[in-house]
Amino acid sequence: DTEVTQTPKHLVMGMTNKKSLKCEQHMGHRAMYWYKQKAKKPPELMFVYSYEKLSINESVPSRFSPECPNSSLLNLHLHALQPEDSALYLCASSQGTGGTQDTQYFGPGTRLTVL
Amino acid sequence: AQSVTQLDSQVPVFEEAPVELRCNYSSSVSVYLFWYVQYPNQGLQLLLKYLSGSTLVESINGFEAEFNKSQTSFHLRKPSVHISDTAEYFCAVILNTGGFKTIFGAGTRLFVKA
Repeated sequence: DTEVTQTPKHLVMGMTNKKSLKCEQHMGHRAMYWYKQKAKKPPELMFVYSYEKLSINESVPSRFSPECPNSSLLNLHLHALQPEDSALYLCASSQGTGGTQDTQYFGPGTRLTVL
Repeated sequence: AQSVTQLDSQVPVFEEAPVELRCNYSSSVSVYLFWYVQYPNQGLQLLLKYLSGSTLVESINGFEAEFNKSQTSFHLRKPSVHISDTAEYFCAVILNTGGFKTIFGAGTRLFVKA
């Protein structure tokens, strides 16, 4: 099973709203990732969690707040977003032990629209 | 600095024709190489990967890619495409020095015409 699930599939929010994106995997992976993808562009890395600790933050604005409650779950809390934050948000996971084990498996994404 | 170049932003091709999607990389260290496919309104799916061993790797749906170290390339090929292969294809590398960063190419849009 190489499935990563994400909810919701679509989200529309105003600039003053607070919402959360959720990601789950049951592959025993210890690294989990958030990416942002704009139309016709490759994914851009936002955050990496390794063994439930934040390992990489690619200078993401504080209106995006990641959380890793346990090894299977990854959340992305959203607050006071801007219209330019509208994008496809992708979650991924990998075994996280480095090297050949770091093949990333992606979820289907959440399509976020900020009004 | 490491980089991945996909020379073709779009590749139109007729159904049942062969196709090659080109990928070149630049790195001062050894890399692991991947091709991902993204169908419209979906996430990325791993198509195939080269980690070590045989330089020719195959996917279950007829795609293959060959790692060429001297030319720093990892081109994707399929001898006969289907309409259902229409998608965005991303070439990517991970450095073998460890860490979690995947470097993606800009993507190639494969458009299969009837």
